Amino acid sequence: AQSVAQPEDQVNVAEGNPLTVKCTYSVSGNPYLFWYVQYPNRGLQFLLKYITGDNLVKGSYGFEAEFNKSQTSFHLKKPSALVSDSALYFCAVRDSNTGGFKTIFGAGTRLFVKA
Amino acid sequence: GAGVSQSPSNKVTEKGKDVELRCDPISGHTALYWYRQSLGQGLEFLIYFQGNSAPDKSGLPSDRFSAERTGGSVSTLTIQRTQQEDSAVYLCASSLGFPSNEQFFGPGTRLTVL
Repeated sequence: AQSVAQPEDQVNVAEGNPLTVKCTYSVSGNPYLFWYVQYPNRGLQFLLKYITGDNLVKGSYGFEAEFNKSQTSFHLKKPSALVSDSALYFCAVRDSNTGGFKTIFGAGTRLFVKA
Repeated sequence: GAGVSQSPSNKVTEKGKDVELRCDPISGHTALYWYRQSLGQGLEFLIYFQGNSAPDKSGLPSDRFSAERTGGSVSTLTIQRTQQEDSAVYLCASSLGFPSNEQFFGPGTRLTVL
């Protein structure tokens, strides 16, 4: 069965500093990995995904994530945080071997960016 | 174009009553998903549809929960004999027809069981 872990409930960063939100996963086959963001009083939005190919993927709002197969990780990063990045971030995984659409989400990490 | 819509946006019901939650996916999206999000928590997978079929119902919490999808479009999540622990935000999402596709989420239905 697939699973996702986001080990940090909360991440605090100063504006202008780099940020990292951690995610590790477990699947039986090859993973499809996703990051979503939930801004206050707004719906969940897709940020980026890893399907295959280049381990570094770039997404919306200047975010990027690095797929590391040996460490089964898919950490979300941004070189310079903005106050407007403050939100709830979710990592999600699908198991490509099952061929299905079942998606498991992590518990979420709340990011606070301080001015 | 129109996004995923859900109705009602809020539902308050009494313990023991049945409720129906509706989801209208983005036109052309063959995959549809239901999740539950308790206050400030993560998303709990409930069920997904590929077309009108639900290959994996393992996420439904109990036999009080059921879902159907008709015409490859609208889906209804039904909770029978609601309990207070069913109180949560129920989110619907849809995607194109490959597992590599990302999901588009609706605004959710906030269910409160008194």
